[in-house]
Amino acid sequence: GNSVTQMEGPVTLSEEAFLTINCTYTATGYPSLFWYVQYPGEGLQLLLKATKADDKGSNKGFEATYRKETTSFHLEKGSVQVSDSAVYFCALSAYNTDKLIFGTGTRLQVFP
Amino acid sequence: DAGVTQSPTHLIKTRGQQVTLRCSPKSGHDTVSWYQQALGQGPQFIFQYYEEEERQRGNFPDRFSGHQFPNYSSELNVNALLLGDSALYLCASSPRWAGPTSYEQYFGPGTRLTVT
Repeated sequence: GNSVTQMEGPVTLSEEAFLTINCTYTATGYPSLFWYVQYPGEGLQLLLKATKADDKGSNKGFEATYRKETTSFHLEKGSVQVSDSAVYFCALSAYNTDKLIFGTGTRLQVFP
Repeated sequence: DAGVTQSPTHLIKTRGQQVTLRCSPKSGHDTVSWYQQALGQGPQFIFQYYEEEERQRGNFPDRFSGHQFPNYSSELNVNALLLGDSALYLCASSPRWAGPTSYEQYFGPGTRLTVT
């Protein structure tokens, strides 16, 4: 079945460091891929998405590229801020459906 | 423009009781999905409602049921509560008219259910 695997956290970084959070997926067909962010005490917010191979999603300095050959969708940011501290979830939806399948989440902690 | 709203924010119930959670979708959205997020885990899909009918269902027992009203709002009902039902319950809405490759789900803040 379809699944998402994320790197375990927490990821601890200093402000302005480079961020990578790895995400790989297993799916039949051509899923859409998403990154969601969850700030403490809040629900999920869509951070970025990509709907086909080689698409790059980007938002607020975060980027992720849909790599079908490696079944990956790694999240990157060139310079993190303290305000980026949150839990990040990689997710997929199978073709022609909007049911989301999530990874277990990766907690990011950024220190000044 | 109001986003997705959920009520109540927190709820404490005893094993064996029943609970009803409520969700109002984002304006212009007609599809509502429910997810269960256990502590430290990613959300798990429970079911989805569109046109007042359950359209998709995840791997949850029949104790979990739902309803969608003509104004697109939705309820999640859980019967015979177990300790393992303690979780954050998230509601998400999306616009069916946007087309399958444009589906974006907007999440509410969730209802924290504690079963003692």
